[in-house]
Amino acid sequence: SQKIEQNSEALNIQEGKTATLTCNYTNYSPAYLQWYRQDPGRGPVFLLLIRENEKEKRKERLKVTFDTTLKQSLFHITASQPADSATYLCAPQTGANNLFFGTGTRLTVIP
Amino acid sequence: DVKVTQSSRYLVKRTGEKVFLECVQDMDHENMFWYRQDPGLGLRLIYFSYDVKMKEKGDIPEGYSVSREKKERFSLILESASTNQTSMYLCASSFNSRGYGYTFGSGTRLTVV
Repeated sequence: SQKIEQNSEALNIQEGKTATLTCNYTNYSPAYLQWYRQDPGRGPVFLLLIRENEKEKRKERLKVTFDTTLKQSLFHITASQPADSATYLCAPQTGANNLFFGTGTRLTVIP
Repeated sequence: DVKVTQSSRYLVKRTGEKVFLECVQDMDHENMFWYRQDPGLGLRLIYFSYDVKMKEKGDIPEGYSVSREKKERFSLILESASTNQTSMYLCASSFNSRGYGYTFGSGTRLTVV
């Protein structure tokens, strides 16, 4: 069956360190993989998209990698700040109407 | 600033009531979606629409229906609300092409008592 696993439900890191979140998927062949941020009680906000033929994508302090052989994406936040505390959702995409969400990793950045 | 607007942030309804959740987008997106989000289950797709008057069932359509009479508006209808439909409901929209992110509304927290 299809499955999306995000490495842990919760991750605590010290301010200034790099946070690394993992997304593994099974029985999908996504052409794209998206990452979203969700704050409590709010809708997800789109952060980044990476294509299957891209190894890495960067946006400011964010970096995403995509390994279609390992069926894994890594999401990095460098120089993390308390304001980065949120839940981050991984979403493999196989078609325009086919976006599948993981349950998320709740990141807490400790001052 | 582009937006997806959901009509209510919080809603309390009685069992058996017919409930309408409204969603409006101002980005001229072709696709619109309704999800529900429950702790530990993540986002689950209820219905989506790729054009006016067109709709497709998602993973959990039972007990729900939708309406899309205009491109910018997508309504979710709970025909007869039940307590197991207590949840956070999220509307989203996107272009009808791969490679675009979804824009979500702020959500409606529905409680059925």
